[in-house]
Amino acid sequence: LAKTTQPISMDSYEGQEVNITCSHNNIATNDYITWYQQFPSQGPRFIIQGYKTKVTNEVASLFIPADRKSSTLSLPRVSLSDTAVYYCLVGPKAGGTSYGKLTFGQGTILTVHP
Amino acid sequence: EAQVTQNPRYLITVTGKKLTVTCSQNMNHEYMSWYRQDPGLGLRQIYYSMNVEVTDKGDVPEGYKVSRKEKRNFPLILESPSPNQTSLYFCASRSLWGGGTEAFFGQGTRLTVV
Repeated sequence: LAKTTQPISMDSYEGQEVNITCSHNNIATNDYITWYQQFPSQGPRFIIQGYKTKVTNEVASLFIPADRKSSTLSLPRVSLSDTAVYYCLVGPKAGGTSYGKLTFGQGTILTVHP
Repeated sequence: EAQVTQNPRYLITVTGKKLTVTCSQNMNHEYMSWYRQDPGLGLRQIYYSMNVEVTDKGDVPEGYKVSRKEKRNFPLILESPSPNQTSLYFCASRSLWGGGTEAFFGQGTRLTVV
């Protein structure tokens, strides 16, 4: 499974856009990139998923360059409630022999200040 | 509502007393998994199951057992709990079709072994 590297922590202020970059140099051809959010003592929650270029949903955007060796989660106009840990995961499609294992790294602790 | 339900949410037990943490999902997902989360160590996979009667070890399986007799249920069994199994446990499920790695997590079970 591709190893991921993220900043340990980031600080922002309410109303700002936050970009969290994840490095995954050995991403495989059939790997997807997925981001999760976790609040203290709660289970991780799916945010967004992509394979290449740009993906946008109601809460975030995911930018993936052509070489796919990194990705950037973009949170527009963050609020205090966006304070959480954000995990970047890289893993294969359904049906792959290694599909069973999802590896969570240390994640990025995002703190949003008033 | 799609959900993964764990019980109990909180449990305090004594060393050596067998316990079971239940996990149930209502999304007809093939894949289910157990994680433990400890400060500074992130989320680590204990066991996973790709379908009924198919289970496999994750990264930290020692001291745990699982079973998958029905598609919706994936209990975690601690035959003889020890204090080093004090942790926050999460169950997760996801479909193995449609690509990607989106998983749904339960609310967690905080286990204390004294």
